[in-house]
Amino acid sequence: SAVISQKPSRDICQRGTSLTIQCQVDSQVTMMFWYRQQPGQSLTLIATANQGSEATYESGFVIDKFPISRPNLTFSTLTVSNMSPEDSSIYLCSFRLRGRGNEQFFGPGTRLTVL
Amino acid sequence: QKEVEQNSGPLSVPEGAIASLNCTYSDRGSQSFFWYRQYSGKSPELIMSIYSNGDQEDGRFTAQLNKASQYVSLLIRDSQPSDSATYLCAVRSVSNMLTFGGGTRLMVKP
Repeated sequence: SAVISQKPSRDICQRGTSLTIQCQVDSQVTMMFWYRQQPGQSLTLIATANQGSEATYESGFVIDKFPISRPNLTFSTLTVSNMSPEDSSIYLCSFRLRGRGNEQFFGPGTRLTVL
Repeated sequence: QKEVEQNSGPLSVPEGAIASLNCTYSDRGSQSFFWYRQYSGKSPELIMSIYSNGDQEDGRFTAQLNKASQYVSLLIRDSQPSDSATYLCAVRSVSNMLTFGGGTRLMVKP
C-alpha cells in the first residue's frame, strides 16, 4: 500500500488570499488528480496533473484559479487562488499506482475554510 | 440526467443484516466500476473493484455488475455499526476519468 502525505490537513484563510496544497506519494504513480468535495456533496474532478506539463482541467475549472504543478511522478501541488467563501471545501489529491490498473486512491484531504 | 446515480439515503439496517446499495450509470461504454467508503470527515477509501458481469466477493462485501442493465450494487453481509458511512459508486468512462455518484449514507443500528 502507498503512503500519501497531503499538507496542510486544514486551513482557515482570508478572502482574496491564495493557498497551496501539497501531495506526496511514496509509490510509483501513473496518474495524479485533484478533486474537490463541497460540504454534503460528492467528488468533483478539478484536473489531471500531468508531469512536467500543464494540467488538464475539467469544465468549470481554469488554470488561473487552480494552478497545478507536478514536477515529478510522485509530487503535485494545487493552488487555490484569490479565494472566496465559495472555495470552502475539501480538496483531495488522488492517484493511480503502477501495477494497480485503474484503481484510484485518495490522500487524506485538505479542509479549507475561507472567511 | 446524472451520469452515475445513487439513492442518497439514509439507508438504515439493523446490525447483522444485509445492506444493499445500488448504483446506475448512463455511459454504456464504461468498463470499470468501484465502490468507495467514506467516513465522516475522512477521505474516500477504495473497498471494491469490479470489471465484468457477475459477482466479486471480498470478505463481507460483494459487488455485483450487470452491464446490460447498467447497474452496479454492493452487498454488505453481517452489517456492523462500524460499516456506517457514505458509500460512493464510481465509474470509469471511456475518457479514463472516474465519475462519482452522489453517495448513499448507510446507518447500521445496534
